[in-house]
Amino acid sequence: DTGVSQDPRHKITKRGQNVTFRCDPISEHNRLYWYRQTLGQGPEFLTYFQNEAQLEKSRLLSDRFSAERPKGSFSTLEIQRTEQGDSAMYLCASSLTGLRTDTQYFGPGTRLTVL
Amino acid sequence: AQTVTQSQPEMSVQEAETVTLSCTYDTSESDYYLFWYKQPPSRQMILVIRQEAYKQQNATENRFSVNFQKAAKSFSLKISDSQLGDAAMYFCAYRSGRETSGSRLTFGEGTQLTVNP
Repeated sequence: DTGVSQDPRHKITKRGQNVTFRCDPISEHNRLYWYRQTLGQGPEFLTYFQNEAQLEKSRLLSDRFSAERPKGSFSTLEIQRTEQGDSAMYLCASSLTGLRTDTQYFGPGTRLTVL
Repeated sequence: AQTVTQSQPEMSVQEAETVTLSCTYDTSESDYYLFWYKQPPSRQMILVIRQEAYKQQNATENRFSVNFQKAAKSFSLKISDSQLGDAAMYFCAYRSGRETSGSRLTFGEGTQLTVNP
C-alpha cells in the first residue's frame, strides 16, 4: 500500500510564472484534498474532490488557482501568475468515504518558492 | 466557523517522561471528529490519534492517549515514555460530522515538541 505522493517536492519559480503540482492519492481513495501551509502555521484547506467532482473550494483559492482531478485519480493544482505570497508548502491528502471517520492521509508536500 | 487553538507554541520533555499537549476548539456542532497529527522535520504529516465526539471513551494508541472533554471543548494529547523520535510539530485538527459541511480539516497553529536526551 503506497502512500500519497506529490511531485515535484520542491519548485522555485519567478514571480509571474505559472506552476503546476501533481498529487497521486492512495489507490482506491475517492476523496482528495489540497491544503496550503506557510512556515510555522497549520495547514489551511484549499479544495477537495470526491472522485472527479470538485465539491468545495475555500475563499483562499483565488481565481489564479485551479485544481482538477480528471478520471478521479491523480489531481493537479495550477497557480497562474505566481506572486511572492504564494510561497508555501502545498499539501495533498486523500481519504476513503464509507468509513465514518474518513481519515485523511497526507503526502510529503510540494514546497513552492516564488522569487 | 469552527476554530482550533493550541496555546503552547513550544514544549519540551525529557526522554522517557510524559508530556501533555493542549488543544481547545470552538464549534456549535454535536457530531464531529478530532485528530492529532505529527509533522516531523521531514514535513510529512502523520496521523497520531483520532477521536469521535460521540464516543465518551478516550482514544488510546500505544504511548499516545487523549483527554477529550466535550463540554469544555478540550482535546489534549498525552505522550507517555517520550522517545527522541517523538520530536516534531504536533497539530490538533477538527472535522465536522455533517456531510453538508464537507470534509475539510481545520488545524490549530501547532506545538513544537522537543525531546531532550
